[in-house]
Amino acid sequence: IAGITQAPTSQILAAGRRMTLRCTQDMRHNAMYWYRQDLGLGLRLIHYSNTAGTTGKGEVPDGYSVSRANTDDFPLTLASAVPSQTSVYFCASSPSGENNEQFFGPGTRLTVL
Amino acid sequence: GQNIDQPTEMTATEGAIVQINCTYQTSGFNGLFWYQQHAGEAPTFLSYNVLDGLEEKGRFSSFLSRSKGYSYLLLKELQMKDSASYLCAVRDSNYQLIWGAGTKLIIKP
Repeated sequence: IAGITQAPTSQILAAGRRMTLRCTQDMRHNAMYWYRQDLGLGLRLIHYSNTAGTTGKGEVPDGYSVSRANTDDFPLTLASAVPSQTSVYFCASSPSGENNEQFFGPGTRLTVL
Repeated sequence: GQNIDQPTEMTATEGAIVQINCTYQTSGFNGLFWYQQHAGEAPTFLSYNVLDGLEEKGRFSSFLSRSKGYSYLLLKELQMKDSASYLCAVRDSNYQLIWGAGTKLIIKP
């Protein structure tokens, strides 16, 4: 693994189904983030984790949950998917420090029907 | 509320110079970032400004005026590969990034 990976690349999901988007980084970054990107809107933060064992809510957390059991993995779960969750989901990570940039994974394109 | 404004789309000619503006109103300010995002790909970091002034990095420069809530990204000697969206993001008082919707830059030969 080099950098940050996400799985699956894309997924079509029936409404009401449960889905977990996976994110793994091998850079030993403390902070990790989940964003959604919708046409015409900026990236919106769903949840974040400043360090393993801690998580926080972002701008649009409803309908999503996360866990951070270790430094490398930060899965995002949709407990019961709805069509409004159709989006491109990006996972990102950054080292500790105020001016450190975020590194993004390749994204997961999710369609909820 | 918090707001980041950028033009939706801009067009420029290969070899020319283009300036992409970003204005922001956020609860606190702890730095401004510019990212590049090619269609269908992830954003990648371009520049970071936390103090007023110009930061130059090769063909790309970024300027910040905190008193005006204003930044711009300057791209020189445009190449076709510069066709992408450019995202402005401000780190607020909670140290979270607030993102603009991005400016789609179209480069014509």
